[in-house]
Amino acid sequence: DADVTQTPRNRITKTGKRIMLECSQTKGHDRMYWYRQDPGLGLRLIYYSFDVKDINKGEISDGYSVSRQAQAKFSLSLESAIPNQTALYFCATSDSGTHGYTFGSGTRLTVV
Amino acid sequence: GNSVTQMEGPVTLSEEAFLTINCTYTATGYPSLFWYVQYPGEGLQLLLKATKADDKGSNKGFEATYRKETTSFHLEKGSVQVSDSAVYFCALTGNNAGNMLTFGGGTRLMVKP
Repeated sequence: DADVTQTPRNRITKTGKRIMLECSQTKGHDRMYWYRQDPGLGLRLIYYSFDVKDINKGEISDGYSVSRQAQAKFSLSLESAIPNQTALYFCATSDSGTHGYTFGSGTRLTVV
Repeated sequence: GNSVTQMEGPVTLSEEAFLTINCTYTATGYPSLFWYVQYPGEGLQLLLKATKADDKGSNKGFEATYRKETTSFHLEKGSVQVSDSAVYFCALTGNNAGNMLTFGGGTRLMVKP
């Protein structure tokens, strides 16, 4: 099994719909992150959580919300999806040191 | 704040050519430096890292040396293969809140047979 699992892998949804992307990890890491990747390559941080009771906004949090249900689970919600939220979404985990992040395989979201 | 600058792509090479992807950074203190690779349709994978000045990270024939004097961490490979075609991200964790990763914009490498 993958260390960081994202579901669904692909999703097409309509404008105005609520959608949740889920992430679970078996790394035992305290820290979890949600990133968005748009064509043109760059990764932008949406939200991050350093433990179950800690939630922080990243650089592009507007239009998104998150929930840290347990150490191993971190979900991202789009309350009312809009077309410019069409992107590739990645979940990642890390420990508190300098060992880098472990990424999930991504969720490709299309809002029509 | 911290920042990472990578050369813009795409970089197109023939198989067995020498690869350099430039990466420079701005950070206070002593950051750790990373290269991540993203193969088509996949998530990012850690390729190599270096945690202090003059360290050399290496993996799968790729190398990068932490140069504090030039604030650089250039990625090199002596002979690229078609299977190396991917997007490469330089990144650092510094003395910002909680060792958060700061990414460069990514460089797409295309290797032709």
